[in-house]
Amino acid sequence: GESVGLHLPTLSVQEGDNSIINCAYSNSASDYFIWYKQESGKGPQFIIDIRSNMDKRQGQRVTVLLNKTVKHLSLQIAATQPGDSAVYFCAENVVNTGGFKTIFGAGTRLFVKA
Amino acid sequence: EAGVTQSPTHLIKTRGQQATLRCSPISGHTSVYWYQQALGLGLQFLLWYDEGEERNRGNFPPRFSGRQFPNYSSELNVNALELEDSALYLCASSKTYRVSGANVLTFGAGSRLTVL
Repeated sequence: GESVGLHLPTLSVQEGDNSIINCAYSNSASDYFIWYKQESGKGPQFIIDIRSNMDKRQGQRVTVLLNKTVKHLSLQIAATQPGDSAVYFCAENVVNTGGFKTIFGAGTRLFVKA
Repeated sequence: EAGVTQSPTHLIKTRGQQATLRCSPISGHTSVYWYQQALGLGLQFLLWYDEGEERNRGNFPPRFSGRQFPNYSSELNVNALELEDSALYLCASSKTYRVSGANVLTFGAGSRLTVL
């Protein structure tokens, strides 16, 4: 079935280090990918997006890399801070005859150690 | 600007009952999406409404239904509740659907449904 999966369910990093969260997706026809961050007690929030015609996009302290050849996404967080502790989801916008939907992966929980 | 608001925050029901969850999108957003997030799991797509019509549906039984009102707010109804329906139900909204697929969802904080 359709799925967007993650390689690691949890990730623990030291404050100040860089974090890398990986994601594999299965819908090769998708054109748009998004990373969301979900803090405890809140809904997911948009972090950064990338179109399939790009292989890299940078934001403030975050970078998303896309490798369509192997259907792999990654989110890099520079100088990780305690406030970055959350669950991170990669998501894929799928457009097909059934319409449009955003498919989420299972999520990676990021722990930042002080 | 108010974000996506959901009510109730928590809801406790027993098996066989019905639950109704409500969502108000961000002003100017016409699309509303519903997701189910079971404990420790990812978000499972339930329903998408746009301009008052159901546009897409996830792999859920028919007892999960909903509607979108003229003011773009939405309701999710779950009939004949089962224990496994216990989850966080998240509503999201976006501006009018883009054919390109470049739609970013803004989520509410969710409604926690517990079925006993």
